[in-house]
Amino acid sequence: DVKVTQSSRYLVKRTGEKVFLECVQDMDHENMFWYRQDPGLGLRLIYFSYDVKMKEKGDIPEGYSVSREKKERFSLILESASTNQTSMYLCASGGGNQPQHFGDGTRLSIL
Amino acid sequence: GDSVVQTEGQVLPSEGDSLIVNCSYETTQYPSLFWYVQYPGEGPQLHLKAMKANDKGRNKGFEAMYRKETTSFHLEKDSVQESDSAVYFCALSDQDGGFKTIFGAGTRLFVKA
Repeated sequence: DVKVTQSSRYLVKRTGEKVFLECVQDMDHENMFWYRQDPGLGLRLIYFSYDVKMKEKGDIPEGYSVSREKKERFSLILESASTNQTSMYLCASGGGNQPQHFGDGTRLSIL
Repeated sequence: GDSVVQTEGQVLPSEGDSLIVNCSYETTQYPSLFWYVQYPGEGPQLHLKAMKANDKGRNKGFEAMYRKETTSFHLEKDSVQESDSAVYFCALSDQDGGFKTIFGAGTRLFVKA
């Protein structure tokens, strides 16, 4: 069965810390995505990648970066965490004209 | 650019009621259309899809018709159950959008017993 695994379900960090969120997929998909989900705002795309070492900015990339060194792994990095980055973060793979497959999310709190 | 609009943030039917959740889209291309469902504590998952105009997606008693003339993809069910309670996202993807999927803001369905 298709699986997208996010490394943590819950994470608490302090402002100014560098934060890494990890995502692994086992479907050999070329495309991977990072979203944040906030009440009333739906899913907003932060970054996506269509190949190893390739990345594209989404709608809200400010304050974030990404890394894709291997096809199955896509990391989201908060360079210097701030309280307005407290959110649910969702990783997905697939897409194009086919459905995306999501992980179960990481609920990140920045204190 | 492409967009998806879901007009209801929340709907509160009783068990056995019929349901329509509205979804309208804007694009200059020929998109694929999707409904995703998100249960508490989980990520969204594909609920149903329609790949071209006049296709009908179906799953677990839900249906959605891809209507190009009205640019709509409304989610419908004749009789909702308490277990249908979840957040539903309408989404589109098309060639012009490249690899991206555009999601609506989501509609929370809470079915009263």
